[in-house]
Amino acid sequence: EVQLVESGGGLVQPGGSLRLSCAGSGFTLSNYWMSWVRQAPGKGLEWVANIKQDGSEKYYVDSVMGRFTISRDNAKNSLDLQMNSLRAEDTAIYYCARILYRGGIFLDYWGQGTLVTVSS
Amino acid sequence: DIQMTQSPSSLSASVGERVTISCRASRGVNDYLNWYQQKPGKVPSLLIYSASTLRGGVPSRFSGSGYGTDFTLTISSLQPEDSATYYCQQSYGATTWTFGPGTKVEIK
Repeated sequence: EVQLVESGGGLVQPGGSLRLSCAGSGFTLSNYWMSWVRQAPGKGLEWVANIKQDGSEKYYVDSVMGRFTISRDNAKNSLDLQMNSLRAEDTAIYYCARILYRGGIFLDYWGQGTLVTVSS
Repeated sequence: DIQMTQSPSSLSASVGERVTISCRASRGVNDYLNWYQQKPGKVPSLLIYSASTLRGGVPSRFSGSGYGTDFTLTISSLQPEDSATYYCQQSYGATTWTFGPGTKVEIK
C-alpha cells in the first residue's frame, strides 16, 4: 500500500525557518516525480513545488521562489521542503504527493499533511 | 503562468440531480487537466485525470470532458457522499502547476 507521511510542521515566527519531511512507503520513491501542495486554513489548494526523480529539475510557485527548496533522498525514500524567510501567508497544511505520468500527469497519492503556522 | 477559474464557486443540489462544474484555463492545456475531490477535513483525492479518464474505483456517475481551455466535471446523479469541494488542476508541461479555486457542492 502506498503511503506518504509528512512531518516537521509547527509554529514558527515570521522570518524563521522550518524543514518538512515526507516519508514514502509501499513504493520506490526514486521512480517518481514528487510534489508539495499547500492549503491555507479555509482556503483552496495551492501547488508549491515539483522535483524530478533524480533531483535534477525543480519547479516552484512564484510566491516561494528563492525562499523554499525542495529536495529528496532516494536512498531514504524521503522528500523534503526547506522553508526559509517564512511569512504569515505561508501558514497552511502542507501535503506531499506522488506524481504519476500515465497518459496525463497527476497527483495520485497524497499524505495526510502537516500544519505550518507562521505567527509571532 | 496559466490561471484556472471555476464556476460556480458553490452550488446546492438535491440527491439524484445532475451537477455540472466548469473549469477554464487562461491558455490551452491540451488534456492536462485533472479533477480532485476534497471532503471536509479530509485529504484531496484524485477523481479524473487527462480531462476524462476516471481513476479506478471512482463511481461511474462522475465524468469529465473538455480540451484546450474549457473543461467540465459532471456528476450524473448526485449522492449524499458527493458533498465536497472539487478542484480542477492543470499539469501542462509538468513544470508549474495551478489549481482552480474550487467548487463547493452541498446537498439540499
